[in-house]
Amino acid sequence: EVQLLESGGGLVQPGGSLRLSCAASGFSFNFYAMSWVRQAPGQGLEWVGGISGSGGTIDYADSVKGRFTVSRDKSKNTLYVQMNSLRAEDTAVYYCAKHDYEVATSKLDYWGQGTLVTVSS
Amino acid sequence: SYVLTQPPSVSVAPGQTAKITCGGNNIGSKSVHWYQQKSGQAPVLVVFDDRDRPSGIPERFSGSYSGNTATLTINRVEAGEEADYYCQVWDSGSDHVVFGGGTKLTVL
Repeated sequence: EVQLLESGGGLVQPGGSLRLSCAASGFSFNFYAMSWVRQAPGQGLEWVGGISGSGGTIDYADSVKGRFTVSRDKSKNTLYVQMNSLRAEDTAVYYCAKHDYEVATSKLDYWGQGTLVTVSS
Repeated sequence: SYVLTQPPSVSVAPGQTAKITCGGNNIGSKSVHWYQQKSGQAPVLVVFDDRDRPSGIPERFSGSYSGNTATLTINRVEAGEEADYYCQVWDSGSDHVVFGGGTKLTVL
């Protein structure tokens, strides 16, 4: 059974940093692309960034480029997003999601339950 | 950047057919995926590659497209299918995953 478990969310001040983790199990983590998707309170889904199965290709939404870094640790079957220079508008539930192929061009077939990040002073 | 346009809301009575549209420039050249998100839950894939269904999704869910519009159709809608529905594509021009703004389906 595919499982994705996010952690690391919480309250952070504007300008601060936070690292989210997504522990994956039940599939060959090393092969599949992964993405982070966020949802601000009462708003729709917004893709944050994605990483290929090999880790060689990483893409970011314009809203986070230069501030967020997506990475993966194959030895730990874990996906990360390092979030720096956080702003109030980054407040959202952050989901990790699995693509169904090696590249992020494919559909998102499994999602975690999300972790809430609140940026506020 | 590529934009997908969905109606904010669609209402339908139980047992009737709901159609949720997703408009985008030359959308027929892209694979469209649809997700269902019930209140307080994570999204769930319900249709992929325009018209295919993952295992466990009822046959009442189907996808199609015509011109610059993709459509998610739910036949014989049930109260439990009240949710937000999102379309999604991969935009090769920007190398971005793109979501539509979402449509709230209300079952009257």
